[in-house]
Amino acid sequence: NAGVTQTPKFRVLKTGQSMTLLCAQDMNHEYMYWYRQDPGMGLRLIHYSVGEGTTAKGEVPDGYNVSRLKKQNFLLGLESAAPSQTSVYFCASSSHREGQFFGPGTRLTVL
Amino acid sequence: AQSVTQLDSQVPVFEEAPVELRCNYSSSVSVYLFWYVQYPNQGLQLLLKYLSGSTLVKGINGFEAEFNKSQTSFHLRKPSVHISDTAEYFCAVSDMDSSYKLIFGSGTRLLVRP
Repeated sequence: NAGVTQTPKFRVLKTGQSMTLLCAQDMNHEYMYWYRQDPGMGLRLIHYSVGEGTTAKGEVPDGYNVSRLKKQNFLLGLESAAPSQTSVYFCASSSHREGQFFGPGTRLTVL
Repeated sequence: AQSVTQLDSQVPVFEEAPVELRCNYSSSVSVYLFWYVQYPNQGLQLLLKYLSGSTLVKGINGFEAEFNKSQTSFHLRKPSVHISDTAEYFCAVSDMDSSYKLIFGSGTRLLVRP
């Protein structure tokens, strides 16, 4: 099992550009999440999904959109990137009471 | 709303010494509790979890944690640390009625010195 994988691992964008981060899990988990991690701020939840076709806002959703068309995939989109979105992005998945399993992260820099 | 406090942003300790990383959560309602470890440039890895039952929980790499409901704490301990334990440690909590959502603390950096 690959667990949770994220694509790409690194990306540099210019302000105003768009991109999509892809998360895939092979554990048949119902729940999936996108977090951002910034120094001294721990992890902050951007969006999450409790099942295929459903998404919900987390703590810091502004400037991001998500889609969960297939159970195993969860996409995070940035329509118009801003320097404030420079961060490390983590995807995670879980089932009930197991705790969340994290991907290796995507390091995004917006110039 | 639930919140998690990790009072120590950094804990320096010598190799083979014991260590305790502190975690307190805000709500006294029934919760699930977790500790994660993050090595440099990696994702988070689950160390251990408390769901119910015995208040002393054992995890991977020789770590253990004790759930104290009256003090709303879930401190992480290891009797003898190694250089390889140098990492960031995150405490997290979820309410039983929304168990899929985790609230994370801000993390504690454990720095093990030779």
